[in-house]
Amino acid sequence: RKEVEQDPGPFNVPEGATVAFNCTYSNSASQSFFWYRQDCRKEPKLLMSVYSSGNEDGRFTAQLNRASQYISLLIRDSKLSDSATYLCVVRGEFGNEKLTFGTGTRLTIIP
Amino acid sequence: GAGVSQSPSNKVTEKGKDVELRCDPISGHTALYWYRQSLGQGLEFLIYFQGNSAPDKSGLPSDRFSAERTGGSVSTLTIQRTQQEDSAVYLCASSFALAGVAGELFFGEGSRLTVL
Repeated sequence: RKEVEQDPGPFNVPEGATVAFNCTYSNSASQSFFWYRQDCRKEPKLLMSVYSSGNEDGRFTAQLNRASQYISLLIRDSKLSDSATYLCVVRGEFGNEKLTFGTGTRLTIIP
Repeated sequence: GAGVSQSPSNKVTEKGKDVELRCDPISGHTALYWYRQSLGQGLEFLIYFQGNSAPDKSGLPSDRFSAERTGGSVSTLTIQRTQQEDSAVYLCASSFALAGVAGELFFGEGSRLTVL
């Protein structure tokens, strides 16, 4: 089983729609979780951290379910500029700063 | 600039040659990471440094790969006797670590390696 698994997509959704991605992780001792965004031929950049209580940043909402070991990202009122690959990232157990990236979910917003 | 700097940006080499890839992290960042990304694939973890030591080298694909970091700053990833499957973009990232916990990763633009 991969350490971090994501549906690779592609997700093609119309502008204005709501889209959700899920990610599962294998190490129950993982301590921190993030969503990164990668544009085509660019380096990844942090989109948001994921907190146990769930967190929201504008149109983006991240949720963590430790019992089921999955993380989700919800994008509301999608914009053309949201087209990118979304990477789920998991930090190892305490004392191990290794960050493992999922293979990413590709999203294309259609006008 | 103030960002993570990697060199060379592009490297074409012949199979069997050695290559060195360099990473200059953001000043003051104590954690430094190397990943590689093949075309259309996700990021594959190679190694990370906390200061000059590498607590986790588990991602290095073979003993042809090595990395070092000196002065808590610049890092070099060396690939000996390159093979065609080594072709990829090698990404370096740095992070400020507080109380041993690294924060947001800041990536360089990567070094694209092509092995002929």
